[in-house]
Amino acid sequence: DSGVTQTPKHLITATGQRVTLRCSPRSGDLSVYWYQQSLDQGLQFLIQYYNGEERAKGNILERFSAQQFPDLHSELNLSSLELGDSALYFCASDTPNTEAFFGQGTRLTVV
Amino acid sequence: GQSLEQPSEVTAVEGAIVQINCTYQTSGFYGLSWYQQHDGGAPTFLSYNGLDGLEETGRFSSFLSRSDSYGYLLLQELQMKDSASYFCAVKRAGSYQLTFGKGTKLSVIP
Repeated sequence: DSGVTQTPKHLITATGQRVTLRCSPRSGDLSVYWYQQSLDQGLQFLIQYYNGEERAKGNILERFSAQQFPDLHSELNLSSLELGDSALYFCASDTPNTEAFFGQGTRLTVV
Repeated sequence: GQSLEQPSEVTAVEGAIVQINCTYQTSGFYGLSWYQQHDGGAPTFLSYNGLDGLEETGRFSSFLSRSDSYGYLLLQELQMKDSASYFCAVKRAGSYQLTFGKGTKLSVIP
């Protein structure tokens, strides 16, 4: 158990819909990262938050947004979903001088 | 920007040794990390090189040469359970953004 909790584990939704993925980081970790992994693909960095503030942005679509709350949990919002958004979405957390720990991911299927 | 290159696939025999290379083009990073990911699972941390040289953790070793922009992961006494994808990653100085290579799929065969 990495200590990073992601919910839900699986999500099936229709095109055009909006979903919210949730991540609770390890106790004490201030940074939260979101990654997208499509079938047989690498980990595409989406966005990073540090202590509530956006720290870095990667290849995140405008239809996607995220935030980190005062209790440090984070949510990734995906809207106007398309078939191509079907993927595994991982959250990771760390402190600046430690390795990142990943949650078990949310498998999103858009039908 | 940052980019990390690794071979897409490697096949090795059970009990043998395999080396997975990672070359990178980046400026200002804290070190090179390696992660393992089994199919459908979460990436898990394997090793970290903050300084040049070799780090050993059991059957796994990792190496970094900043002057050559190069690192590798060495897996010894391969076991079937080592079949997985292996990713190198760097943490960018300042933002601490963790950027991954595209991963190397290792297949261990009997």
